[in-house]
Amino acid sequence: SQQGEEDPQALSIQEGENATMNCSYKTSINNLQWYRQNSGRGLVHLILIRSNEREKHSGRLRVTLDTSKKSSSLLITASRAADTASYFCATIQTSGSRLTFGEGTQLTVNP
Amino acid sequence: KAGVTQTPRYLIKTRGQQVTLSCSPISGHRSVSWYQQTPGQGLQFLFEYFSETQRNKGNFPGRFSGRQFSNSRSEMNVSTLELGDSALYLCASSGQRNTGELFFGEGSRLTVL
Repeated sequence: SQQGEEDPQALSIQEGENATMNCSYKTSINNLQWYRQNSGRGLVHLILIRSNEREKHSGRLRVTLDTSKKSSSLLITASRAADTASYFCATIQTSGSRLTFGEGTQLTVNP
Repeated sequence: KAGVTQTPRYLIKTRGQQVTLSCSPISGHRSVSWYQQTPGQGLQFLFEYFSETQRNKGNFPGRFSGRQFSNSRSEMNVSTLELGDSALYLCASSGQRNTGELFFGEGSRLTVL
């Protein structure tokens, strides 16, 4: 079973708007990562946030982590058509080394 | 630095056949993981190899197997193919065990007819 669940499953916005995706997980984690996947391609690592961090930025990306609620959010600011892709959260549990992925959010940015 | 290379990119097989997929990790990476991606099940972990040893295994039947060579290249094999094995098979390598950050190849798209 998947460790993470993402919300929404699909999101459609206009270029220039912000996109927010949420991820919930079930067990204690070492870190949480976000990946991006263009249709039919491999996944690309975007950002990693450790369990003792609450917020992290990378360019137009902002990730938050709330370990008490076992949830994370990914914010993409000033979205572009090229941001159209599926976004996955992934976690490593404190008891293991395996990276487990959520079901993903399909983001469509309309020009 | 070259990325993760997977071959073949596309292949078509028929039920009952077997298939071998290959993965060359990023130079210096000793950990290789395999994932199966389907529309219905999402990304499912198959197995992970580190220094030629299987370190983790997912919940897949014994028809799915893998191995890693001394140069860290990895292969996975699926025997007695079923229609449900049609999927994108993704290989990823990692150089940092403590973070688990993965670098993915483009995948091998398997279609079973």
